[in-house]
Order: sequence, then structure tokens, then C-alpha cells
Amino acid sequence: QVQLVQSRAEVKKPGASVRVSCKASGYTFSRYAIHWVRQAPGQRPEWMAWINPGNGETKYSRKFQGRVTVTTDTSFSYMELSGLKSEDTAVYFCTKGGDCGGDCLRDPFDMWGQGTLVTVSS
Amino acid sequence: QSVLTQPPSASGTPGQRVTISCSGSSSNIGSKTVSWYQQLPGMAPKLLIYGNHHRPSGVPDRFSGSKSGASASLAISGLQSEDEADYYCASWDDSLTWLFGGGTKLTVL
Repeated sequence: QVQLVQSRAEVKKPGASVRVSCKASGYTFSRYAIHWVRQAPGQRPEWMAWINPGNGETKYSRKFQGRVTVTTDTSFSYMELSGLKSEDTAVYFCTKGGDCGGDCLRDPFDMWGQGTLVTVSS
Repeated sequence: QSVLTQPPSASGTPGQRVTISCSGSSSNIGSKTVSWYQQLPGMAPKLLIYGNHHRPSGVPDRFSGSKSGASASLAISGLQSEDEADYYCASWDDSLTWLFGGGTKLTVL
């Protein structure tokens, strides 16, 4: 079955970087988009980035442009966020998007990883 | 800055029908499709509705979605205790980002 399994929780100091991994299984990884979405405590989900694993094309939210980098490697996707601030404390999710034979940037998120809690604290 | 607006809370008794609204604008819901997500406490969101009214395989037909203009609605009929969760709408926006609604906490009385 389709599954996205993410790396463990992280605690980081302000100014540091964090890298979260997401292992996909149960489908053809290169064919479907991966999005990264975060959710701060008690807040709505917030879209951060998209990647087409088939060709490596990426799109980033303007809010995170310059601070976030998303990559893929075989069946893994990685999200790296730099210049961490306390406001970046959140659960970070990878999600499976649409078929990149079509409009996979604008198709919804049909499977989510379990989430990775990133805590930023001095 | 575009936003999607949902009521913060909704409630109903078992067996009742409840609806949750999501209001946007011409740059998102008014010209794009809407999806809905259910988030149980401590869990990741789960896709409930896509393309305004389509249900993924495995989602009960008690859940239904609709859209009119720049607003969308999620209806849950035959309310059950396990439906108690947070519900979020989402839509792509012309500002080149995905937007999520503020979430509606559904309580089954």
C-alpha cells in the first residue's frame, strides 16, 4: 500500500538548519508529486514546497523562498530548512500529490506522512 | 493576501447532518477546485474530498462536497462519534501557493 514514512523528531537551536526525510513506497515514486506542508501547534496547515520527482522541478512558497530546499533521491524526498527561528517550531509533513503526467502542482494531497516535529529552542 | 475562511467550530448529535463552509475568492475557490481534509487528534490530515465533490476510495458516502461561486461546503450525514475531528478546506491560489482554511473543529455531542 502507498506509504510515506518520515524521519524522527528534531530539536534545533535558532539559526541552525534541519533536514527532514520522507521515504515513499507502494507506488511509482518518479511519477507523482511530493509536497511539503507544515503545521504549527493549533494552526492551519501551511504549504511550503513542491517537487516533481521525475525531473527535479521545484516550486517554493514565497514565504520560504531562499530558506527551504526540497530534493529527491530514488524513493526519498528531503526538505531542508535553514535559518531556523522559534516560529518554525511545527510538525512538518510530506504529502503525495498528483500524477505528473498531468497538473501535479495543483492536484490535491492524497497521502500524508506521519509528520516530523521540529522544535526550535535555545 | 488571499485566505480561506471556515467557522472555527461545528457540532451535532449522532445521526444528524452537519455542514461546514469554506469561503474564498475569485483567485482560489472561485476559479479552482477545492479539497477537504479530516485531521483526527494527533494524526496527519487525510484526504476526504477532491475536485469539489469527489470521494477517494474508502471514504464513506456520508461525506459529500459542493461548491458554488467562491464558496464550498462539506456535508457529513449520519454523524458518528468517530467523525469528531478538525476539518480543513484547501485550494490552489493565483498567488502561486496552496491555501488551507483555518479549520473547523467538529464536536459530536
